[in-house]
Order: sequence, then C-alpha cells, then structure tokens
Amino acid sequence: DIQMTQSPSSVSASVGDRVTITCRASQGISSWLAWYQQKPGKAPKLLIYAASSLQSGVPSRFSGSGSGTDFTLTISSLQPEDFATYYCQQANSFPSRGITFGPGTKVDIK
Amino acid sequence: EVQLVESGGGLVQPGGSLRLSCAASGFTFSSYWMSWVRQAPGKGLEWVANIKQDGSEKYYVDSVKGRFTISRDNAKNSLYLQMNSLRAEDTAVYYCARDAVGQLVDYYYYGMDVWGQGTTVTVSS
Repeated sequence: DIQMTQSPSSVSASVGDRVTITCRASQGISSWLAWYQQKPGKAPKLLIYAASSLQSGVPSRFSGSGSGTDFTLTISSLQPEDFATYYCQQANSFPSRGITFGPGTKVDIK
Repeated sequence: EVQLVESGGGLVQPGGSLRLSCAASGFTFSSYWMSWVRQAPGKGLEWVANIKQDGSEKYYVDSVKGRFTISRDNAKNSLYLQMNSLRAEDTAVYYCARDAVGQLVDYYYYGMDVWGQGTTVTVSS
C-alpha cells in the first residue's frame, strides 16, 4: 500500500505569510495527488487536483506542484480564512489500489 | 445546487450494525463514482470504500473488508454503507463524497469534489 506523509504536522503563521506544506508518497504516484482544506466541524474542501490544477472557485493564492513522490502546497499570502488543516490524498492506480490521505498539516495563527 | 446529505448515524454497541445513507441532488448521480470517507475524533481522514457508477465495482480499505458493504440505488439517487460487526475503532464522522473521475483507456482521478456534511457513528457499550 502507498503511504503518505506530510510535513510539517503543524505550522504557525501570520496573515500575509507564504506557507508551504510538503507531502511525500512512499512510492511514485505520477501526478495523482489532491489537496484538501478542512475547517473544524466542516467537511473537507477540494483545493488542488492532479498535483497542480486549481479546483474551480479556489483562490489563486493556492498552488500545487510536484510529481512522482514529492509534492507541495503553497499559500502565497495567508488570509484569515486559510487557518485550517490541510490534507494530501493519493489515488494512483485508481480504483483497484484504493485511496490514501496524508496525516494532515494544521495551519494556525502565530 | 449540488448537494450530498448523509443520514443514519447514531450510537451502536460493539458487534452491532448500522446503515448509512447519502442522498444526492443537483447532479446526475448515476454518472459518478462515489466514496465514503471517515474521520475518527481528533484524527485525520480515512477513505473507507468506493463504488462505480453502475455498482459493478466496489473497493474497500483493508480494515473494513468483510464487515462493510457499499451500495447505491441510482433510481433513488442514493448511496449506502452497510456496517456490520462494528468495533470501537469504527467510531467516526462518516462523509459521502463524489469522486471526479475521467476515463479513456485508464482512469484519471481528479479528487473528491463534493462532500456531504457528515453523520456521526459512535460504537460503544
């Protein structure tokens, strides 16, 4: 099974900061990686799919990059509404090999 | 409005059963793969199961194989999760989600683009 790790597990940042979150897969997953944002008590929201494609309606301050095993989510200028937990998700060899989420990265206020 | 609404959660004793439902509206339900994803209290997201548009293919995370069954009724625009032999570790908020999938020869997975609000399952004596 493909395992996903994220770093850091948490980050404290200020409004306007540039924030980068890293996700690593235990084996190559091409570009089959998505990023989600989840706020407390709410369902996750899709931000990025196929590693670097911005989901419709998501602000352009969010961007994704990477392929193979190493991926990043960047928030170019952190806004108050961006304080949340972010998860990566892989779906390589969909559907037979299942889907795996990373453990999450919490972005909180410095 | 595109919407998913889960129901059926509750308190159940270990070893018991529960059936979750997810009602879809605002899109052509029969055209989409669908998933169940759960989140234990204070923990991260875990994919549980998914099902193909016509119900002919179903896949599960190892921890629920043989205990949970995913199904759908396209005529009723509904997704289901039958959960048997429940354990304390199955306690979680359960979300249904729409899988955005393209297919030529191979599948192309574009993420879970619509989510329900979740329903809470508590397994405890």
